[in-house]
Amino acid sequence: EAQVTQNPRYLITVTGKKLTVTCSQNMNHEYMSWYRQDPGLGLRQIYYSMNVEVTDKGDVPEGYKVSRKEKRNFPLILESPSPNQTSLYFCASSLYQQGPEELFFGEGSRLTVL
Amino acid sequence: SQQGEEDPQALSIQEGENATMNCSYKTSINNLQWYRQNSGRGLVHLILIRSNEREKHSGRLRVTLDTSKKSSSLLITASRAADTASYFCATVGPSQAGGTSYGKLTFGQGTILTVHP
Repeated sequence: EAQVTQNPRYLITVTGKKLTVTCSQNMNHEYMSWYRQDPGLGLRQIYYSMNVEVTDKGDVPEGYKVSRKEKRNFPLILESPSPNQTSLYFCASSLYQQGPEELFFGEGSRLTVL
Repeated sequence: SQQGEEDPQALSIQEGENATMNCSYKTSINNLQWYRQNSGRGLVHLILIRSNEREKHSGRLRVTLDTSKKSSSLLITASRAADTASYFCATVGPSQAGGTSYGKLTFGQGTILTVHP
């Protein structure tokens, strides 16, 4: 089954404790990206990757890191989480033809930073 | 500010009526996409329209794109209670690095559609 898998789905952590949210897709997609969704602000892109070893900043990259060492995986790293990073996070992937095509989304990871 | 702006923010209609949502954006785009989201779940892709297309249909969905006005609209015909959800437009714009590649994807704040049985 074609899917994007995120883990963990729910996480409560404390300020400053490094964490990684994993994202994996099984569709051989070139493009992968991360978003955060906050009430009243919609979805905002954090980082994206157009292929292995190619990453670029979205609208809200501060406080986040990513890497794309393999085509299927695109982890999101919060080196020192802060309460303002409490949010619902989505990973998505798509084919890439001059631009990302139809995005397939994971089910989301709800993160709370105390 | 975000590129994709949508209106209305909320729309309430009766089953069988048509629903129209609008999206405006500010910079050049490669394509524009519409998504649906149910209550905090993952978004589901509805339709994609490329910058050189003006109109596209998929089942009960009709999307138009006017690049001169930098706007798009999504029409859902003969709505059903099951169409109740949030709808988002997303524009694919130039990558941060510049050049000719497109990778930056910007979502509008969405329209909450409620269809009453």
